Amino acid sequence: DAKTTQPPSMDCAEGRAANLPCNHSTISGNEYVYWYRQIHSQGPQYIIHGLKNNETNEMASLIITEDRKSSTLILPHATLRDTAVYYCIVRASSEAGNMLTFGGGTRLMVKP
Amino acid sequence: NAGVTQTPKFRILKIGQSMTLQCTQDMNHNYMYWYRQDPGMGLKLIYYSVGAGITDKGEVPNGYNVSRSTTEDFPLRLELAAPSQTSVYFCASSYRRNQDQYFGPGTRLLVL
Repeated sequence: DAKTTQPPSMDCAEGRAANLPCNHSTISGNEYVYWYRQIHSQGPQYIIHGLKNNETNEMASLIITEDRKSSTLILPHATLRDTAVYYCIVRASSEAGNMLTFGGGTRLMVKP
Repeated sequence: NAGVTQTPKFRILKIGQSMTLQCTQDMNHNYMYWYRQDPGMGLKLIYYSVGAGITDKGEVPNGYNVSRSTTEDFPLRLELAAPSQTSVYFCASSYRRNQDQYFGPGTRLLVL
């Protein structure tokens, strides 16, 4: 699986959009970009994933660059409850692909 | 649905003791996983199972054993507890190998 690079920490004001970047310059054609988050002392929670096109669900939006070497997770209106560690993971889509590998992630602090 | 449940929530073990961490899911998922998370670090895969009767090693299997006699249950066994096994243990499940995983609340283990 491709390696990902994320900033270790970010701050965001409550009510503003939180934009979390992820670099994955070695991503290959069959690899998806997944985002999970982990709120303190809880298990990780799936947020969103995508291959090429931008994706949106009730939690967030995922913007993937045209060359697929980087992506941005957008929380449109961050709340205090969005304070968590956010993990960007790149992995193959096939049944034979490797298992999920969590790196260090980005610690997002939403401030009032 | 209760989702993924884990017991106990917290346990203190003495060096050399053994214990079983329980994990149950009620979503009829084929895949189940055990991760450990050391303080300030990402998750590391210990063992996983692709269905009842089938298990395989992950990234850090040494010192642990698993079994999968039913679809619902995936217990993790520590035979001779060591201080290096002090960690938070998360169980997860998914319907397919590379689909989003659902995590349990975790078991915090302290080995003294």
